[in-house]
Amino acid sequence: AQSVAQPEDQVNVAEGNPLTVKCTYSVSGNPYLFWYVQYPNRGLQFLLKYITGDNLVKGSYGFEAEFNKSQTSFHLKKPSALVSDSALYFCAVRDGDTGGFKTIFGAGTRLFVKA
Amino acid sequence: DVKVTQSSRYLVKRTGEKVFLECVQDMDHENMFWYRQDPGLGLRLIYFSYDVKMKEKGDIPEGYSVSREKKERFSLILESASTNQTSMYLCASRPHRESTEAFFGQGTRLTVV
Repeated sequence: AQSVAQPEDQVNVAEGNPLTVKCTYSVSGNPYLFWYVQYPNRGLQFLLKYITGDNLVKGSYGFEAEFNKSQTSFHLKKPSALVSDSALYFCAVRDGDTGGFKTIFGAGTRLFVKA
Repeated sequence: DVKVTQSSRYLVKRTGEKVFLECVQDMDHENMFWYRQDPGLGLRLIYFSYDVKMKEKGDIPEGYSVSREKKERFSLILESASTNQTSMYLCASRPHRESTEAFFGQGTRLTVV
């Protein structure tokens, strides 16, 4: 069975500092991994994905994520946080081998960036 | 740009009412999904449709049904609304089964009183 864990309900960081939002996953086949962001009262916006290839993937708004197969992790990172990055972030996984329809989402991590 | 449009941003309904949530996408996507979002639980899949007139149960289908008579439209139906169905409902679409990321609507916040 697929599962995603986001161990932190909330992450606080000062503007200009690097940020990390953690995600670990479990899937039987090869993982397709995603990060989405949700701004207040809005739907989810796609940020980035890992399907295959380089373990470090780059996405929108300066975000990147590192796929670590041995640790089954896919942490979201940004070198320098902005106040406008404050939002709710979701990690998601899909089993790439089975070609299934279902994408499983984590519970979400709220990021607060202080000026 | 892909556009997924949900018919209402906010809805307030009474217990026992039949409720329709509508979702329309304009990019000829085959796959469409309904999720509900609750604090601390993330997104949970209610139903999905992989093509017109096709539907499959997700993880929490109880109390819901869906309809997909046209490719662009996917409706979520609450047969008899209850207070525990108060939630944010998100519709999403994806081009086809081999596609990776999904595109989401802006969400409908439903309150059942």
